[in-house]
Amino acid sequence: QKEVEQNSGPLSVPEGAIASLNCTYSDRGSQSFFWYRQYSGKSPELIMFIYSNGDKEDGRFTAQLNKASQYVSLLIRDSQPSDSATYLCAVRVSGTSYDKVIFGPGTSLSVIP
Amino acid sequence: DADVTQTPRNRITKTGKRIMLECSQTKGHDRMYWYRQDPGLGLRLIYYSFDVKDINKGEISDGYSVSRQAQAKFSLSLESAIPNQTALYFCATSDYRKMEQFFGPGTRLTVL
Repeated sequence: QKEVEQNSGPLSVPEGAIASLNCTYSDRGSQSFFWYRQYSGKSPELIMFIYSNGDKEDGRFTAQLNKASQYVSLLIRDSQPSDSATYLCAVRVSGTSYDKVIFGPGTSLSVIP
Repeated sequence: DADVTQTPRNRITKTGKRIMLECSQTKGHDRMYWYRQDPGLGLRLIYYSFDVKDINKGEISDGYSVSRQAQAKFSLSLESAIPNQTALYFCATSDYRKMEQFFGPGTRLTVL
């Protein structure tokens, strides 16, 4: 079982709609959760992080975390064509001898004007 | 100036050649990472380093080696490059508290 899973997409939404991106993870001890945006040919950039159960909002972005269900999501309100990118979910996993971040395969989002 | 830099940005090499990718950072972070990215496979961790004296293997370290020359410098070597090492390589940094990763611009490596 992969440690971090995402639907690969592509996910297409019309401009102005809400885009919903989902991620599940396997390590129940995971502490921190991140969403990165990656434009084609560019490096990933951090857009959101969340540590506690519930919602965290930052502008048009909302991250939602449910540790009991091992599920984290990203909502993008009022989607714009400039939001078209691949979105990577990442999870911090740690133990007695390791501490690292595992990335999911990414979901490709296309916002249609 | 960029906080995390990588050289070279593009490299074409032949099978069997030794190649080194270099990464430098000015963020003052203690932790540095090397990832490779292949279409459909996302980012996979090759090696990571928590400080100059601490090097750890990631999930795909075979065929690679690293050197942490200083807190700000972390290099990745392919001792004998093979075609399936053709990929986009990213260096990243983080501090130990938040673990938010900051990425360099990437190196596109092609092995013929």
